[in-house]
Amino acid sequence: AAGVIQSPRHLIKEKRETATLKCYPIPRHDTVYWYQQGPGQDPQFLISFYEKMQSDKGSIPDRFSAQQFSDYHSELNMSSLELGDSALYFCASSLGLMGTTSTGELFFGEGSRLTVL
Amino acid sequence: AQRVTQPEKLLSVFKGAPVELKCNYSYSGSPELFWYVQYSRQRLQLLLRHISRESIKGFTADLNKGETSFHLKKPFAQEEDSAMYYCALRRYSTLTFGKGTMLLVSP
Repeated sequence: AAGVIQSPRHLIKEKRETATLKCYPIPRHDTVYWYQQGPGQDPQFLISFYEKMQSDKGSIPDRFSAQQFSDYHSELNMSSLELGDSALYFCASSLGLMGTTSTGELFFGEGSRLTVL
Repeated sequence: AQRVTQPEKLLSVFKGAPVELKCNYSYSGSPELFWYVQYSRQRLQLLLRHISRESIKGFTADLNKGETSFHLKKPFAQEEDSAMYYCALRRYSTLTFGKGTMLLVSP
């Protein structure tokens, strides 16, 4: 069965550069969530989209932005990268917004590992 | 603010031994709790949710509102249970995760 696809798997950038991560949800899933996991840390919620509209916002820095497109894929744009942005970025998807029409299960991608030098 | 605490970073047991992975939460509303698991080189996936009151792969978890806990238990651990386990709490449409517990089951 098709899973959540994230690209790239690994990305190395220098400070002050920009980076874009992409997430392709499971077919028919209309909700996408972004999480950031630093080394030895728990996954921190960044932002989510339902039906191409932002539904929730967590601890996402102002330097980051994200959107969901008409085909439901999502992109996380990160600018003015800092060393502390080095982390594993997970994307997850669900059919319906969790807590409403969804069963509550999130389906995760394998993550994109960003290293900022 | 909601918080999920998993006090153990690592739990190491022998095959066949009972396992209990601890999870405590703080949340002012009515909690909805989950356990997610990440096996080596695999993606994070749902193991079980408290509202289903189900047993998956021999694991069970009971929500104890008095103790604000949602511990994950299995009576006889197997080597294939070795993985990273995350307790998570749903607030509106987001999940708050604990820091995770690494379970190592030795033969």
